[in-house]
Amino acid sequence: GNSVTQMEGPVTLSEEAFLTINCTYTATGYPSLFWYVQYPGEGLQLLLKATKADDKGSNKGFEATYRKETTSFHLEKGSVQVSDSAVYFCALSQETSGSRLTFGEGTQLTVNP
Amino acid sequence: GAGVSQSPRYKVAKRGQDVALRCDPISGHVSLFWYQQALGQGPEFLTYFQNEAQLDKSGLPSDRFFAERPEGSVSTLKIQRTQQEDSAVYLCASSPQGVANYGYTFGSGTRLTVV
Repeated sequence: GNSVTQMEGPVTLSEEAFLTINCTYTATGYPSLFWYVQYPGEGLQLLLKATKADDKGSNKGFEATYRKETTSFHLEKGSVQVSDSAVYFCALSQETSGSRLTFGEGTQLTVNP
Repeated sequence: GAGVSQSPRYKVAKRGQDVALRCDPISGHVSLFWYQQALGQGPEFLTYFQNEAQLDKSGLPSDRFFAERPEGSVSTLKIQRTQQEDSAVYLCASSPQGVANYGYTFGSGTRLTVV
């Protein structure tokens, strides 16, 4: 079945540091890939997505590129801010499994001033 | 409404008690999903509705879990005879279409604690 694996957390960075959160997936065919963010006390919010190989999703300074050859969708940001502190979830969906999202375990990011 | 609304926000139930969790999706959204999120884990799929039809309930962990969406808008997730392992955050999400590519809008969840 489908699965998503995220780098183990938590991740603690200083403000303006470079961020990478690794995500790899297992799926047959061509899934769509997503990053969701969960701020404290709030629901999951879609951060960015990519629906086919080599697509780059981007939003709020975050980027991720759909790499089919390495089955990866790593999240990056060049300069993090304190306000980026949240839990980040990588997820995939595939038509063969309906419209459901399959999530990774999440990575807690803390950015210190 | 402006977003997906879930109620109650918090629920404490004694083991063996029945609970009902409500989800008000965004008006006009066709698709509605329920997910279960255990502490420190990613959300796990429970069930999916398209309008009033429950198209997939393969993620429901036992026959104590039941979901309905009788008029294709508000949905209720019911858990009978709650057990401690049911303690989790229950998330509802809605989408205007039946595919995830649009990105679902999630509610803030109901945190269920079974004591």
